Amino acid sequence: KAGVTQTPRYLIKTRGQQVTLSCSPISGHRSVSWYQQTPGQGLQFLFEYFSETQRNKGNFPGRFSGRQFSNSRSEMNVSTLELGDSALYLCASSFDVVDTQYFGPGTRLTVL
Amino acid sequence: AQSVTQPDIHITVSEGASLELRCNYSYGATPYLFWYVQSPGQGLQLLLKYFSGDTLVQGIKGFEAEFKRSQSSFNLRKPSVHWSDAAEYFCAVGSYNTDKLIFGTGTRLQVFP
Repeated sequence: KAGVTQTPRYLIKTRGQQVTLSCSPISGHRSVSWYQQTPGQGLQFLFEYFSETQRNKGNFPGRFSGRQFSNSRSEMNVSTLELGDSALYLCASSFDVVDTQYFGPGTRLTVL
Repeated sequence: AQSVTQPDIHITVSEGASLELRCNYSYGATPYLFWYVQSPGQGLQLLLKYFSGDTLVQGIKGFEAEFKRSQSSFNLRKPSVHWSDAAEYFCAVGSYNTDKLIFGTGTRLQVFP
C-alpha cells in the first residue's frame, strides 16, 4: 500500500505570496492532520480533518487554512506569507480518529 | 494541558552500546503514546505505539518502550545500537477525542563506530 504523499516536496516563495500544499493519505484513511516543523518551535499541530470536516485546529493565525476533499485528499493554504512561515510542513493520515498517524515526507517551504 | 518532555537534546553512543531515550508526559487521563524517528530531510517514521494493554511494547528495528503510569514516562530502549540508528527521535502523546498529537522537542542520536 502506498504511503502518504505530499506535493510539492520543495517550494520557494516570497513574502506576501500565498501557497497551497497537497497531501494524499494512505488509501482507506479518512483522517488527515497537518503539522509545522521548525527548528525553533519544533513540531506543532496545525489542523485535523475527518470526512471533509475540520475537527480540530491548532494555535495558528487565520492565514493558515485547509480543507479535505471527498476522496480524503487534503490541501493547506497559507496566505500572505511571512519569513517565519519557512518550515517543513508534514501531513499525517490515519484510518480513523484516535488511531496511528502515518506521516508523509513533508513539503519544505522557504519564504524569501 | 498536555505536554511532552524529552530531557535529552543530544545523545552520543558507541555502536553496539545500549540506548535509552527518555520521555515524560503530562496528561489528565490515560494517554496514547508514540515514538517516531526522523532522518534528515525526511518525514516521521513510526517506531512503536501504546494505546492500552501490555505496558512493554515492541517496535520496529529492535526498539521497545515501556509505559510507566506512576512515573508518567514512556522511555525508548534498544539493547544494541547500529550506526543506521543515528537520527532524531520524537515522543508524542495523543488524547482520546482528537487526532492532535503533542510532540516532545526531540532527541538527536549520534552513533560512533
